[in-house]
Amino acid sequence: NAGVTQTPKFQVLKTGQSMTLQCAQDMNHNSMYWYRQDPGMGLRLIYYSASEGTTDKGEVPNGYNVSRLNKREFSLRLESAAPSQTSVYFCASIPGLANNNEQFFGPGTRLTVL
Amino acid sequence: AQSVTQLGSHVSVSEGALVLLRCNYSSSVPPYLFWYVQYPNQGLQLLLKYTSAATLVKGINGFEAEFKKSETSFHLTKPSAHMSDAAEYFCAVSKNFGNEKLTFGTGTRLTIIP
Repeated sequence: NAGVTQTPKFQVLKTGQSMTLQCAQDMNHNSMYWYRQDPGMGLRLIYYSASEGTTDKGEVPNGYNVSRLNKREFSLRLESAAPSQTSVYFCASIPGLANNNEQFFGPGTRLTVL
Repeated sequence: AQSVTQLGSHVSVSEGALVLLRCNYSSSVPPYLFWYVQYPNQGLQLLLKYTSAATLVKGINGFEAEFKKSETSFHLTKPSAHMSDAAEYFCAVSKNFGNEKLTFGTGTRLTIIP
């Protein structure tokens, strides 16, 4: 099992450009999450998907959209990138089993917006 | 709503000394609690979790944490620090039932002094 994979690993954008961050998991997990990590702020939830076909806003959704393409894949789109979106982005998933909220994380995407 | 507070954004200990990383939580319902570790340029990895079974939880790499309801705390300890423990550590909380999203603390960077 590859676990949670993210592409790309690194990306540099210019202000106003768009891009999609890809995330896939091969663990048959139900729920998937997108976080951003900024120095001194921990991880903040952008969007999540409790199950295939559903998505919900997290703490910092502005400027982002998501798609839960199928059970495996959950993508994050920046329609018009801004310097404030420079961050490290992590995707995570959880099994969705009773008494288990352990999240499994991908390796991250380091995004710089100039 | 759930939240966690990690006291001390940076902690330094000598190799072989006790490691103590503090986490206090706030939760409207009985919580699940987690400690994650992040090594440089990597994703987050689960160290240990509390899910209402034993209050003293043992994790990987010799770490353990004790759930103290009266103090609303879930501090992380390790009796003897090793150079390889240098990393950033995150405490997280969720509600105590399935598919609930995690709320993370702001993190504590642990430095080990040779």
